[in-house]
Amino acid sequence: QLQLQESGPGLVKPSETLSLTCTVSGGSISSISYYWGWIRQPPGRGLEWIGSIYYSGSIYYNPSLKSRVTISVDTSKNQFSLKLNSVTARDTAVYYCARHGDVTISYLRWLVDHWGQGTLVTVSS
Amino acid sequence: SYVLTQPPSVSVAPGQTARITCGGHNIGTKSVHWYQQKPGQAPVLVVYDDSDRPSGIPERFSGSNSGNTATLTISRVEAGDEADYYCQVWDSSSDHLLFGGGTKMTVL
Repeated sequence: QLQLQESGPGLVKPSETLSLTCTVSGGSISSISYYWGWIRQPPGRGLEWIGSIYYSGSIYYNPSLKSRVTISVDTSKNQFSLKLNSVTARDTAVYYCARHGDVTISYLRWLVDHWGQGTLVTVSS
Repeated sequence: SYVLTQPPSVSVAPGQTARITCGGHNIGTKSVHWYQQKPGQAPVLVVYDDSDRPSGIPERFSGSNSGNTATLTISRVEAGDEADYYCQVWDSSSDHLLFGGGTKMTVL
């Protein structure tokens, strides 16, 4: 059974870089069938897509965050990672890693069928 | 940029039918997915591609999509259905994944 687990610091100082890793188990991140993504949710608010990556390196980013975000994949470790720089209090959120749907079927490609449990990252000095 | 609009809240009595809308320009031309999120939990996909259900999701959950509105319908509502619900699409014109603002469904 596919499982995703986020890891990283729960507290980041303003202006610094938020770094998270998602470890995938029960399946290969090198699968040709899926994109892998990051989604966040500020406390008490809605979901916001950050970006998604394919094992080969194809990446899509949320235009509103693109200038500050880097998503990468490490197939040897079956992990993908998020870096968000120049963080402020507005970046405080639960961060989820996720798997999208079958990339070969256009209308399924961007659904999210597996989610990590989420990790709260607080930006504060 | 493309925007998805959901009502902030809906209330429904047990056993009744809840309808949660998701508005967007020509959303009927897009594939809409719906998620249920209970407090402290990750979202769960309940309807995909407008009207299909993942395995394990009760038949009480259904969806439709036409024109400028997609709708998630929950029949015979139960107390356990109380949750936030989000619609989601991929906007191919901007290569951007979008969520609606979410609807909090309260079971009276």
